[in-house]
Amino acid sequence: NAGVTQTPKFRVLKTGQSMTLLCAQDMNHEYMYWYRQDPGMGLRLIHYSVGEGTTAKGEVPDGYNVSRLKKQNFLLGLESAAPSQTSVYFCASSYDPRRGNTIYFGEGSWLTVV
Amino acid sequence: GQQLNQSPQSMFIQEGEDVSMNCTSSSIFNTWLWYKQDPGEGPVLLIALYKAGELTSNGRLTAQFGITRKDSFLNISASIPSDVGIYFCAGRETSGSRLTFGEGTQLTVNP
Repeated sequence: NAGVTQTPKFRVLKTGQSMTLLCAQDMNHEYMYWYRQDPGMGLRLIHYSVGEGTTAKGEVPDGYNVSRLKKQNFLLGLESAAPSQTSVYFCASSYDPRRGNTIYFGEGSWLTVV
Repeated sequence: GQQLNQSPQSMFIQEGEDVSMNCTSSSIFNTWLWYKQDPGEGPVLLIALYKAGELTSNGRLTAQFGITRKDSFLNISASIPSDVGIYFCAGRETSGSRLTFGEGTQLTVNP
């Protein structure tokens, strides 16, 4: 997990509150991803970015927004949190996965929405 | 979207036993990856496979990229307690930049 840092690691939100998860990587990676992990469902892609200033939707983008203003940072925002967004969130990055470069994961952010 | 089925969902084995798990896809992949996740941690890459038929080892772990390009297998030989964790397969379609993950196999090793 070296090189990919997520903050915060734990957070409890009330329904309707907003928050931002920050992912930072110091490996000069072009590609960055946000996944959520729920029991028995593996990792599902929320949004991803193929470079600074770009973002794209993944499998489960609803209720989330992202921004990639700087190459090293990928922010995941929840504008109005819902209990269904209680999950563990993982950020990942890669130089160029199309060339087989390894995708590195952060250590996860545990979010509970009450 | 593509489906990736991983089995078994969980395994309970004795230390020293061998373990096998597999993933099948409804789509053709050009890359198969196997990750392990320890409690409270992010997934860590174990083995990467880039070619149909490829067989790759990493210590006691061996993984294979299926000839049909729609499946992959992971074997762990002589399991030890620290093998406990969740194992995920992941696949990537040709020219794709996104990974699709399996649902994971929870491995428990009894000493």
